[in-house]
Amino acid sequence: GAVVSQHPSWVICKSGTSVKIECRSLDFQATTMFWYRQFPKQSLMLMATSNEGSKATYEQGVEKDKFLINHASLTLSTLTVTSAHPEDSSFYICSAKEVAEYQPQHFGDGTRLSIL
Amino acid sequence: GQNIDQPTEMTATEGAIVQINCTYQTSGFNGLFWYQQHAGEAPTFLSYNVLDGLEEKGRFSSFLSRSKGYSYLLLKELQMKDSASYLCASMDSNYQLIWGAGTKLIIKP
Repeated sequence: GAVVSQHPSWVICKSGTSVKIECRSLDFQATTMFWYRQFPKQSLMLMATSNEGSKATYEQGVEKDKFLINHASLTLSTLTVTSAHPEDSSFYICSAKEVAEYQPQHFGDGTRLSIL
Repeated sequence: GQNIDQPTEMTATEGAIVQINCTYQTSGFNGLFWYQQHAGEAPTFLSYNVLDGLEEKGRFSSFLSRSKGYSYLLLKELQMKDSASYLCASMDSNYQLIWGAGTKLIIKP
C-alpha cells in the first residue's frame, strides 16, 4: 500500500519552456503533499507544502510565481516550473501523507529536469 | 531553532553491524522517521518511532530516547545493497518533517 506515482520521470527541454510534473497517491487519500528539490550530492530541500483545496505554503526563498502548485483533489498535486532556465535543472521529488496525523510521507520516484 | 544532526558519512564492512546516530531539536515532537535513499532515487520509508525504546524490523532496528532527543538506526548483517544515504527526520508539532542532511553509508567487501 501507500504508493505514490510521479510523472514524468525525466524531462529535457529548452530554456523558457514551462514544465508540469504530476504527483498522484494511488491507493490512499492525501490531504497534504510535499514538493522537494535535490541537487546532486546534497540533501532534500523542501520547496512547498501542498494542501488540497487551498493555496500551497512555500518555503523561504522559493518563488511561488515560478513554481506553481495545484492540489485540486485528494489524490493529485501538480508542480509547474514556469519559464524554466538551466539553473532550475534538478531532481524534483513529491511525497504524500495519509490523512491520519502520525503517518510517514511516501515518496514518488522523482523527476529529473534538465533545461538546455 | 530546529535542528537535526547526523554524521555525514560512515563506512562499514559487509556482514558487520553499523549504528547511525541522530540527534534532534524541534518545536514539539510527534515522532522520528528514518528513510533510505539510494543514489539517484527517491527516499523510501524505513521506520517510525514515537515511544522510547527499540523497534525491530528484520535486519533494521530503530531506537528512540525522547528525553535525550536521540535516535539511532541499527543495520545488521550488512549487504552491499545497503550502501545508500540514511535520512533522519523529526515530526514537529505541526506534523511537518524536519529533515537531517543524511548519512552516506559505504559498505566495503
